[in-house]
Parts: sequence; structure tokens; C-alpha cells
Amino acid sequence: QQQVKQSPQSLIVQKGGISIINCAYENTAFDYFPWYQQFPGKGPALLIAIRPDVSEKKEGRFTISFNKSAKQFSLHIMDSQPGDSATYFCAASLRSGGSNYKLTFGKGTLLTVNP
Amino acid sequence: GAGVSQSPSNKVTEKGKDVELRCDPISGHTALYWYRQRLGQGLEFLIYFQGNSAPDKSGLPSDRFSAERTGESVSTLTIQRTQQEDSAVYLCASSLKDRGRRGYTFGSGTRLTVV
Repeated sequence: QQQVKQSPQSLIVQKGGISIINCAYENTAFDYFPWYQQFPGKGPALLIAIRPDVSEKKEGRFTISFNKSAKQFSLHIMDSQPGDSATYFCAASLRSGGSNYKLTFGKGTLLTVNP
Repeated sequence: GAGVSQSPSNKVTEKGKDVELRCDPISGHTALYWYRQRLGQGLEFLIYFQGNSAPDKSGLPSDRFSAERTGESVSTLTIQRTQQEDSAVYLCASSLKDRGRRGYTFGSGTRLTVV
């Protein structure tokens, strides 16, 4: 059972455009929603994260929009740059005993920003 | 160290052989996670260690998989009698205790190819 569904699988955007990646979750017990950025040959790196009691969080050109009632959240990359070309993963955190914060990941979106 | 270190970075093994993957977490990070990333898929949780507590092994896909960690230091993931479906990137991540909710720091992974 895939608990976090991510779309689209791939996305091509022109430099300066807005990139939008969407995720939907099923388990209402999830309590934190991070986004990770992964470049080829590297591990995922935390990009930005949001709590479920916040509707929007912005850090520089990156914004998370969160809709708790719809169980959906999205990543917006404003003024997309070729250097943003990477795979993006949404994730949802669930506390699973003690200090175990198990992350469930979406399948990823390959973003290509054309110059 | 400055980051999570994993070795080897690449491993090619013959079907049926055993392999051992190593993870050296960030100094002071008591929580350590192993994830598996198959081609075109999201990350799958394998196992979680927190200090000297009993590990959460709920994500290990079969009894061919095992992992150890001594205290708050290095961890090893062992796959016995490797199969072709074990081919994947194995990622290790660490975090401070109770900070895993906000996301972990991943290593660059070990790319395992079973031929």
C-alpha cells in the first residue's frame, strides 16, 4: 500500500518558470511533511518541511502549500533555475515508538529546468 | 565526521554471495536509519537504531537481511545469499535523538548490483 502518492513522475520547465509537484497522503497520523532534493549519485538532502497545522511555508524560492482537509501538499519552485534540476521526493513522518520518526516517501519527480 | 559516510560506494556481487554495507553516522547522532531505493521508486524503510534501544526491524524484507550497530557508532547492513531483486541503492541516514521528525541527513548510498 503506497501511503504517499506523488505526481508528476517527471516535469520539464523553462528557466524562470514555476515548478509544481504534488503529493497526497492517506494516513492522518502523519505529523510532519518534509521535501527532499536528490542529485545523481548523491543521497537525498532535506529541502524544506512543514507541520500539518500550517497552510504554507516559504524558504527563498521554495514554498510548501498544505491542505489538511484534502490530505494534499505541494512544492512550488519559483523562478526555476537549471541548477534546480534534480529528483524531488515528498515524505511524511510518523512517530513509531520512542524517537523513531519513520519517513514514508513518494516515488519522486524528476525535474528538468531548461536554460 | 562532517556527514554520513557510506562504504563501499559501489558493489557488484554474484547472486548467492553475502555482502556487507557500512554506515558511519554523523558524530553525536544517536538515531540511525537504513533505507533502500530501487530504480524509479521512492525510498523504503528497512531498519532504525536509537542508542542502545532495541532496533525497529519492521522494514527488513526477508530474513536474509540483518543489521547491527554498536552503541552510537558505525552500523553494518548484511545481505545474505543475494538475489537480483536486491539490486538497489542502500541509503543510511542519521539524526539527533527526537530530531528525526524534522528530517534526517542521508549519506550518498551504496549502489549494489547483483549479477
